[in-house]
Amino acid sequence: AQSVTQLDSQVPVFEEAPVELRCNYSSSVSVYLFWYVQYPNQGLQLLLKYLSGSTLVKGINGFEAEFNKSQTSFHLRKPSVHISDTAEYFCAVSGGGSQGNLIFGKGTKLSVKP
Amino acid sequence: DTGVSQDPRHKITKRGQNVTFRCDPISEHNRLYWYRQTLGQGPEFLTYFQNEAQLEKSRLLSDRFSAERPKGSFSTLEIQRTEQGDSAMYLCASTRGIDRVGRKNTEAFFGQGTRLTVV
Repeated sequence: AQSVTQLDSQVPVFEEAPVELRCNYSSSVSVYLFWYVQYPNQGLQLLLKYLSGSTLVKGINGFEAEFNKSQTSFHLRKPSVHISDTAEYFCAVSGGGSQGNLIFGKGTKLSVKP
Repeated sequence: DTGVSQDPRHKITKRGQNVTFRCDPISEHNRLYWYRQTLGQGPEFLTYFQNEAQLEKSRLLSDRFSAERPKGSFSTLEIQRTEQGDSAMYLCASTRGIDRVGRKNTEAFFGQGTRLTVV
């Protein structure tokens, strides 16, 4: 069975500071990995995804993530955050098999303060 | 590409009433998923369709829940005899199924969700 652990439920940070949101996964098969962002009372928007190839993936809004197979991690980073990055961030895994549904972590609330 | 749309955005209902939500996926997407998201949690998979066929149901989907996708386009999710524990955000997502290089389900597009409050 697959699972996702987001190690921090809340991350407060000052504007223009760097941020890292941590994600670890467990799976017995090769996986696809995703980060989604959710603004209040909205659906989820894809930030970035790892399917194969280069372990460093770049996404929208200046975010990037690094896939580390030995540590089963997929941490999300941004070198300088903005107030508008305040939102909830979800890490998700998919086995890529016939079912294709996503398994989500519990989310990390990023609060960017001026 | 108008994205995934869900209707209604908000629904308040009394306990014991039936409710129905609608999801319109991206038109060329043959896979459609329903998820439920409760406060402080990530979305949890409920069920999915490949075209009009419902292929998998989570154990979260009690017998009070039913989903349909009659013509392989839009889908409905009905909850009968609602309970307060059904209060949640219900999210719909669609995927192309196979991407341009033959990989399966590589990107899910989500709707805005329907927030259900059972009072």
